[in-house]
Amino acid sequence: QVQLQESGPGLVKPSETLSLACTVSGGSITRGDYYWSWIRQPPGKGLEWIAYVYYSGSKYYNPSLRGRLSISVDTSTNQFSLDLTSVTAADTAVYYCASIKGYGSDTYPLFGYFDVWGRGTLVTVSS
Amino acid sequence: SVLTQPPSASGTPGQRVTISCSGSSSNIGSNVVSWYQHLPGTAPKLLIYFNNQRPSGIPDRFSGSKSVSSASLAISGLQSEDEADYYCATWDDNLNGPVFGGGTKLTVL
Repeated sequence: QVQLQESGPGLVKPSETLSLACTVSGGSITRGDYYWSWIRQPPGKGLEWIAYVYYSGSKYYNPSLRGRLSISVDTSTNQFSLDLTSVTAADTAVYYCASIKGYGSDTYPLFGYFDVWGRGTLVTVSS
Repeated sequence: SVLTQPPSASGTPGQRVTISCSGSSSNIGSNVVSWYQHLPGTAPKLLIYFNNQRPSGIPDRFSGSKSVSSASLAISGLQSEDEADYYCATWDDNLNGPVFGGGTKLTVL
């Protein structure tokens, strides 16, 4: 059974960079039918997709956040990571990592659904 | 949100409730829909995928459907433990990424 676990600082100062990592256990991050994603939920609001990455390194970003985002994958450690630069209070949220199960192809499949989620980590942006 | 859900829904134990998710031809109308249950402080859980499929371990009290540009989640035999937030999601061809509904808070009276 695949499990995901987020890690990172709980507090980040305004204008600094938020860095998070997600460790995948119980399965390989190199599965061709999966992507690896980040999703966030600001306090009192709904879920927002941030970015996802394929094991090959191909990256996909939410256009509303593009320019501040960088997602990467490390197949040697079965981890993927997110950097969000120039953070403000609006970036305060619970950040989740989740696997995306694709369909239609064994490589670069179509988006299917968010399969397994981490428990989430609260990141507060404050001085 | 790109997908529209009612902010709240309610029912009494044993009742059947339905949660709607309205979209457009660029998202629900041309892509598969999934549903998630989210209890505060926990990881969201996949309830329905590919419009109407249940993962193993999800009771058949939960069912999903899709018609044109809308989708619905139905919960029958409502139980107190069903009280949670529910989200729909799909791919959006204009955004070129996945999108979520705004979420529906289900209260079991």
